[in-house]
Amino acid sequence: GNSVTQMEGPVTLSEEAFLTINCTYTATGYPSLFWYVQYPGEGLQLLLKATKADDKGSNKGFEATYRKETTSFHLEKGSVQVSDSAVYFCALSGSARQLTFGSGTQLTVLP
Amino acid sequence: DTGVSQDPRHKITKRGQNVTFRCDPISEHNRLYWYRQTLGQGPEFLTYFQNEAQLEKSRLLSDRFSAERPKGSFSTLEIQRTEQGDSAMYLCASSSGTTQETQYFGPGTRLLVL
Repeated sequence: GNSVTQMEGPVTLSEEAFLTINCTYTATGYPSLFWYVQYPGEGLQLLLKATKADDKGSNKGFEATYRKETTSFHLEKGSVQVSDSAVYFCALSGSARQLTFGSGTQLTVLP
Repeated sequence: DTGVSQDPRHKITKRGQNVTFRCDPISEHNRLYWYRQTLGQGPEFLTYFQNEAQLEKSRLLSDRFSAERPKGSFSTLEIQRTEQGDSAMYLCASSSGTTQETQYFGPGTRLLVL
């Protein structure tokens, strides 16, 4: 079946540091890949997505590239802000439509 | 477009009681999903509807759980004879059903079974 493995947290960074959160997946076929973010006290929000190999999703300074050869979709941001503190979830959607999520990575950015 | 809404936002109940949650999807979205999220974990799929038809159910959805979407708009998730292990956040999401669709999530209903 489908599965997503993401870097365990928590991750603590200083403001303006570079962020990488690793995500690898196992799936049959050609899944779509997503990063969702959950801010404290709020629901899941779509951060970015990519639907085919070599696609790059980007939003709010975050980027992730769909790498089929390494089955990865790592999240990166060049300069994090305190407001980026949240839990980040990597997810995939295969032929069965439902999302399969990783366990989440808690990010804390210190001023 | 007001987003996906869920009601109630919080529910505390005693073991053995029945509870029902409601989800209102984004209007005109024909797919609706239910997920469960426990503390420190990612959401896990429970079931989904296309219009009023329930097309798939996870093995996580025991016989005590039932979901409906009678007119293809809002959906309800009922848990009968609640157990402490049912304590979790119950999330609803909807999508337009097009290729490469994106699921949009509601704020969730947090259930605590005492």
